[in-house]
Amino acid sequence: DQQVKQNSPSLSVQEGRISILNCDYTNSMFDYFLWYKKYPAEGPTFLISISSIKDKNEDGRFTVFLNKSAKHLSLHIVPSQPGDSAVYFCAAAGSSNTGKLIFGQGTTLQVKP
Amino acid sequence: GAGVSQSPSNKVTEKGKDVELRCDPISGHTALYWYRQSLGQGLEFLIYFQGNSAPDKSGLPSDRFSAERTGGSVSTLTIQRTQQEDSAVYLCASSWRVTNTGELFFGEGSRLTVL
Repeated sequence: DQQVKQNSPSLSVQEGRISILNCDYTNSMFDYFLWYKKYPAEGPTFLISISSIKDKNEDGRFTVFLNKSAKHLSLHIVPSQPGDSAVYFCAAAGSSNTGKLIFGQGTTLQVKP
Repeated sequence: GAGVSQSPSNKVTEKGKDVELRCDPISGHTALYWYRQSLGQGLEFLIYFQGNSAPDKSGLPSDRFSAERTGGSVSTLTIQRTQQEDSAVYLCASSWRVTNTGELFFGEGSRLTVL
């Protein structure tokens, strides 16, 4: 049972345009959501997060939107840069404060110069 | 170095052999986690340690898997009698405390291949 799903395995966008990565979840008890970015042969690095009490969080070029009624979140990157090319994982966590993140399968973003 | 350090970076072993994977967390981080990423999959939680508390082993896939953390620092993940389905990248992460809201700092992973 995949509680966090990233249905698009890959996405390709032109440099300077917007990249939108999507993530769906099934467990309404999740109360915190995170995005991680992973380059080949490196560990994932934290990118941005959002609490379930918010519907938007912005950090520079990165904005995460949360739609709780649809159990959907998205990551917007504007403008996209070639260095953003990586695998993006969304992750969700419950309220038990355990650090047990549930990750999606990842979306590979390619930003073309 | 200042980051999470894992060794070996690559391990090839024969089915049925035991393997040990090591993780050296960021100094001062009290929480340590093990995840694994199988081919084409997301990261799967295995186990975490927080200070001197009993570890949460709920993600370990079978009793062939075990982990310990000595002195609240270095951790070793042991897989006994390895199977081909154990092939994956094993990622260690640490954080200042067990948290759902803070970021985890991941190492580069140990790629395990079971022939």
